[in-house]
Amino acid sequence: GQNIDQPTEMTATEGAIVQINCTYQTSGFNGLFWYQQHAGEAPTFLSYNVLDGLEEKGRFSSFLSRSKGYSYLLLKELQMKDSASYLCAVMDSNYQLIWGAGTKLIIKP
Amino acid sequence: IAGITQAPTSQILAAGRRMTLRCTQDMRHNAMYWYRQDLGLGLRLIHYSNTAGTTGKGEVPDGYSVSRANTDDFPLTLASAVPSQTSVYFCASSENSGANVLTFGAGSRLTVL
Repeated sequence: GQNIDQPTEMTATEGAIVQINCTYQTSGFNGLFWYQQHAGEAPTFLSYNVLDGLEEKGRFSSFLSRSKGYSYLLLKELQMKDSASYLCAVMDSNYQLIWGAGTKLIIKP
Repeated sequence: IAGITQAPTSQILAAGRRMTLRCTQDMRHNAMYWYRQDLGLGLRLIHYSNTAGTTGKGEVPDGYSVSRANTDDFPLTLASAVPSQTSVYFCASSENSGANVLTFGAGSRLTVL
């Protein structure tokens, strides 16, 4: 079966760095997405990786290793507004998105 | 503001009743999707439409139906609601099907008693 694993919850301190991991087992691979979802709101797009390596976008970076079935989202200089759930999703060979359950990130002052 | 509008925002419904969740987008996106989100689970695809006039079944289609009469509208209907359909429902769209970024609506919280 197809599976996306990510930690249920993480806690970090304002101003620090946090890495949210995502491992996947899917039927084929056509890219990996990260979305941010604040409580009670819609998910919003953060990043897309289809090739191995690091994609940097301001305070957020996303890394992909296709051979290891592994990605991480790196958040730097954490701000209180970064408190949210972070959803990892993989597009399989049929271009269907498989979603992880999300990682709830709690930022403490 | 361009985006997706969902209605209602929330609804409490008696079991056995029929309910339609509305979704309208103004971005002229070809593909549209309905997801449900339940605590502890990833988003699950209910139905999708790659283009106006076509629809397809997702991972959890039973008890739901959709139509896509035009590009902008993609309503989701629960013919006879059951308590297990209590969830938050998100409509989403993308420019095309495939590896495209999804834009989500604000969600509809449905409680079936």
